[in-house]
Amino acid sequence: DTGVSQDPRHKITKRGQNVTFRCDPISEHNRLYWYRQTLGQGPEFLTYFQNEAQLEKSRLLSDRFSAERPKGSFSTLEIQRTEQGDSAMYLCASRPSQRGHTQYFGPGTRLTVL
Amino acid sequence: AQSVTQLGSHVSVSEGALVLLRCNYSSSVPPYLFWYVQYPNQGLQLLLKYTSAATLVKGINGFEAEFKKSETSFHLTKPSAHMSDAAEYFCAVSDSDDKIIFGKGTRLHILP
Repeated sequence: DTGVSQDPRHKITKRGQNVTFRCDPISEHNRLYWYRQTLGQGPEFLTYFQNEAQLEKSRLLSDRFSAERPKGSFSTLEIQRTEQGDSAMYLCASRPSQRGHTQYFGPGTRLTVL
Repeated sequence: AQSVTQLGSHVSVSEGALVLLRCNYSSSVPPYLFWYVQYPNQGLQLLLKYTSAATLVKGINGFEAEFKKSETSFHLTKPSAHMSDAAEYFCAVSDSDDKIIFGKGTRLHILP
């Protein structure tokens, strides 16, 4: 069990640029989640997948944000035309789909928008 | 709508003293309740989870939490603090294992 991995761990970009983050869940975990954590706050739910299907999206996920999980394994989160307010830690989590299993979190990708 | 309120953004205790981190929740359905810990530059680690099986929930690292429906509380305790317990702690609520609503967190400082 290698745990949930995220890449990159840190990303610094200029306002207006596009960025993409990757999450590799624990093997055989059907459900995959994205959260955003800003400084001094708890994580906020963004979206989640059951295999390749995106089941729920938060209102926080504006049109500039898109998440995919094309083959039901790894997932990507893309932010277009980044803004300074997008600076945050982006956390990924995964779990088996059966009821009762909790989410395991990755180390996160810290985004800084200059 | 579900929500969580953590009382105190910073809590300091002496090494060996009781740790008490307070959490109150709001939920219209029987909730799942969680405590997570986050060490610097790391992801969240689950300490414990309440799912209605027992009101006193024991977790890892000597932590436990008691679900009190009448008080809508789920406070986290540990009898004796260690230096290694210094971290940020998040209380969270959910009506399933999917969309988890987190509190703002409490940073625990351990004084030597």
